[in-house]
Amino acid sequence: QVQLQQSGAELAKPGASVKMSCKASGYTFTRYWMHWIKQRPGQGLEWIGYINPNTGYNEYNEKFKDRATLTADKSSSTAYMRLSSLTSEDSAVYYCAHWDGGFTYWGQGTLVTVSA
Amino acid sequence: DILLTQSPAILSVSPGERVSFSCRASQNIGTSIHWYQQRTNGSPRLLIKYASESISGIPSRFSGSGSGTDFTLTINSVESEDIANYYCQQSDSWPMFTFGSGTRLEIK
Repeated sequence: QVQLQQSGAELAKPGASVKMSCKASGYTFTRYWMHWIKQRPGQGLEWIGYINPNTGYNEYNEKFKDRATLTADKSSSTAYMRLSSLTSEDSAVYYCAHWDGGFTYWGQGTLVTVSA
Repeated sequence: DILLTQSPAILSVSPGERVSFSCRASQNIGTSIHWYQQRTNGSPRLLIKYASESISGIPSRFSGSGSGTDFTLTINSVESEDIANYYCQQSDSWPMFTFGSGTRLEIK
């Protein structure tokens, strides 16, 4: 079965960067674009961007394009997101999700806490 | 950007009742709307895609309708396990997806 296993919670200081991972299994990693979505505590969902794992091509929400970097490693079927210049507004759960006409599969989320 | 407005913010119904969630788009998006359920501390789960297409493994009491700017998710005969937040999401402006702010379902 399809699984997206995300890395563990992160605690980071303001101004720092974090890099989180999303390991895919149960399907051909390069066939589906991987998306990343943010959810602040008690808030709704916000699309960050996606990567084509086969080509490395990606696109971003304008709001995140200067601070988010999406990459993918085909050899390990793992997608990554690096978020830089962190502020308290970046404290959130970050999900990876696989698009197949709707976000069909989701990771369990990575909690990022930004605090001095 | 395409704005999605969900109303109301909270719905409270009794078990066995029928409930409908509304999602309105700021412009015509055809049927490019998808619905998700998110239980407390859980990841979102896709319930309906492209306004009315069913998803394998989702109970048949969930259905979707609408096109253009007005969309509805309906749960026939609500069960206690349906307590969750429900979000709509548009894919018309691919890949610049947006989500609605969500409607919380409470059981009386």
